[in-house]
Amino acid sequence: NAGVTQTPKFQVLKTGQSMTLQCAQDMNHEYMSWYRQDPGMGLRLIHYSVGAGITDQGEVPNGYNVSRSTTEDFPLRLLSAAPSQTSVYFCASSSSSRETEAFFGQGTRLTVV
Amino acid sequence: AQRVTQPEKLLSVFKGAPVELKCNYSYSGSPELFWYVQYSRQRLQLLLRHISRESIKGFTADLNKGETSFHLKKPFAQEEDSAMYYCALRGYNQGGKLIFGQGTELSVKP
Repeated sequence: NAGVTQTPKFQVLKTGQSMTLQCAQDMNHEYMSWYRQDPGMGLRLIHYSVGAGITDQGEVPNGYNVSRSTTEDFPLRLLSAAPSQTSVYFCASSSSSRETEAFFGQGTRLTVV
Repeated sequence: AQRVTQPEKLLSVFKGAPVELKCNYSYSGSPELFWYVQYSRQRLQLLLRHISRESIKGFTADLNKGETSFHLKKPFAQEEDSAMYYCALRGYNQGGKLIFGQGTELSVKP
């Protein structure tokens, strides 16, 4: 079982560059989310989706865009990378059932120089 | 406001000692509460959820609504328990959104 797959695992960007972090899940989950993990701050929600065609902002959405054209995929786009976006990014998916477990990808370590 | 607080950044204990990782939350309704664990170089994975009232790898957590706490406990720590632990909250009808605490790094020394 692949579960939640994120690509790439590592990325170095220059300030101002754009890129897309890919996330795919094969569990037919309705819910998908993007988090960033920073030391001492835990995981903070960037954007989330409750189904194909539906997305909404989380706690720290500025500088990021998302779209959900299929149930399986939920890419995160950095429009113009900034050093403050240096972080580890995690994608997660879960079903709509109550008390359901969230499944996480292995993370993307992004450095913006 | 919805908030999860883990007051300890680092908890260091010796093997065989009891462990308690603290988690306090703020939520106006009835939340779903979870503990997630991240071992070195691995992805986050679910350890416990409050509704199950289960014991996983010797860990238990009890939801105390009066104190709004969901502390994680283990009577005898093992070296393989060394990891980052996150307490998380999900509100009712919140579409999969999890609110995480800052995380506590548990270090179990031999």
